[in-house]
Amino acid sequence: NAGVMQNPRHLVRRRGQEARLRCSPMKGHSHVYWYRQLPEEGLKFMVYLQKENIIDESGMPKERFSAEFPKEGPSILRIQQVVRGDSAAYFCASSPFRVGEQFFGPGTRLTVL
Amino acid sequence: DAKTTQPNSMESNEEEPVHLPCNHSTISGTDYIHWYRQLPSQGPEYVIHGLTSNVNNRMASLAIAEDRKSSTLILHRATLRDAAVYYCILINTNAGKSTFGDGTTLTVKP
Repeated sequence: NAGVMQNPRHLVRRRGQEARLRCSPMKGHSHVYWYRQLPEEGLKFMVYLQKENIIDESGMPKERFSAEFPKEGPSILRIQQVVRGDSAAYFCASSPFRVGEQFFGPGTRLTVL
Repeated sequence: DAKTTQPNSMESNEEEPVHLPCNHSTISGTDYIHWYRQLPSQGPEYVIHGLTSNVNNRMASLAIAEDRKSSTLILHRATLRDAAVYYCILINTNAGKSTFGDGTTLTVKP
């Protein structure tokens, strides 16, 4: 059983471009969480999704950020018109249960030039 | 939202027990207490979780105060590989939202 997969591992974008981060949860996991970690800081919750539904997006910036977890395929975190402040590591985690153990992916490190 | 408070850093000697504290005085009855740890440039790794009773697993023990306003992660014999940032987080049963604290950086000295 493969672990949580995230791609790309590293992503470089220029200001104003779009960034798409993908997360494939572990097999059988229907709960997905996205976190952001700025350099030298802790993890900050962004959004919690179940298949086809956003359950809690209270940690998502109101503009430019969106997330989805379609019936088929990976979960996508999309950042439009990136700015330098978006540079961070973005981690995805999946879980078989709402409050169960979360299995984290290796993260995507976004650099905005 | 309930928050967690942890010391910024702690040190331990190899082979000795380590007690990592976490305060969560505003915890609600539907919040589970989880602990994760993170090595540099890696994603967090699950350590242990509980609701009200103390918990043990192969990695660690979790002691939860009777009023649930604090908890302690216990590593019974620290090794050099246990050096990491340890996060105490609350996960709400109803919302599923995770609230991460700032974490404790554990240094293990040989």
